[in-house]
Amino acid sequence: SAVISQKPSRDICQRGTSLTIQCQVDSQVTMMFWYRQQPGQSLTLIATANQGSEATYESGFVIDKFPISRPNLTFSTLTVSNMSPEDSSIYLCSAGQGTLLNYGYTFGSGTRLTVV
Amino acid sequence: RKEVEQDPGPFNVPEGATVAFNCTYSNSASQSFFWYRQDCRKEPKLLMSVYSSGNEDGRFTAQLNRASQYISLLIRDSKLSDSATYLCVPLWGKLQFGAGTQVVVTP
Repeated sequence: SAVISQKPSRDICQRGTSLTIQCQVDSQVTMMFWYRQQPGQSLTLIATANQGSEATYESGFVIDKFPISRPNLTFSTLTVSNMSPEDSSIYLCSAGQGTLLNYGYTFGSGTRLTVV
Repeated sequence: RKEVEQDPGPFNVPEGATVAFNCTYSNSASQSFFWYRQDCRKEPKLLMSVYSSGNEDGRFTAQLNRASQYISLLIRDSKLSDSATYLCVPLWGKLQFGAGTQVVVTP
């Protein structure tokens, strides 16, 4: 299965600023996703990062707040824009081969974001 | 009804005992299912994949009941290292995570 390098691992940011999180996969993958996990909660899907086209956002998430890039099959970024304390959370990227279901999807180690 | 429902627990299990818990899902189109485990402050890690009626991997057994739309996970001979949150994940085009079942194995 793919190995994902995610950075930064953590950050403390001022409200109103933006943070870009990067995920690098060690092999080409068809699918990449971005999740958010708030304390004590499960993972909430933010969007599917589509290679070469705009990301597909889930209900409650918009491109202006969470712009996503995916320039190729091994790399994606998520930006958390105009941050407020409510954005404090763990952000995780996930990647996998859509047709190779026996491997599931692997996750980056997460970015722990605190907005002050 | 939530897309994925799990008993949050915690299930307190003596070391060496067996524990089982279920996950119900609403989308009958789900063809594949995963169990992930998540340790505190870590990312989820794939535990098992389930495509047909079930799967077994060592001490872990997953059973799928499509008619009733639930999937179960059974852990035999529990180890202290099995303490974690277990996330049920049906796949229908994308992964939708349940809230997780917390398992605490005690000495």
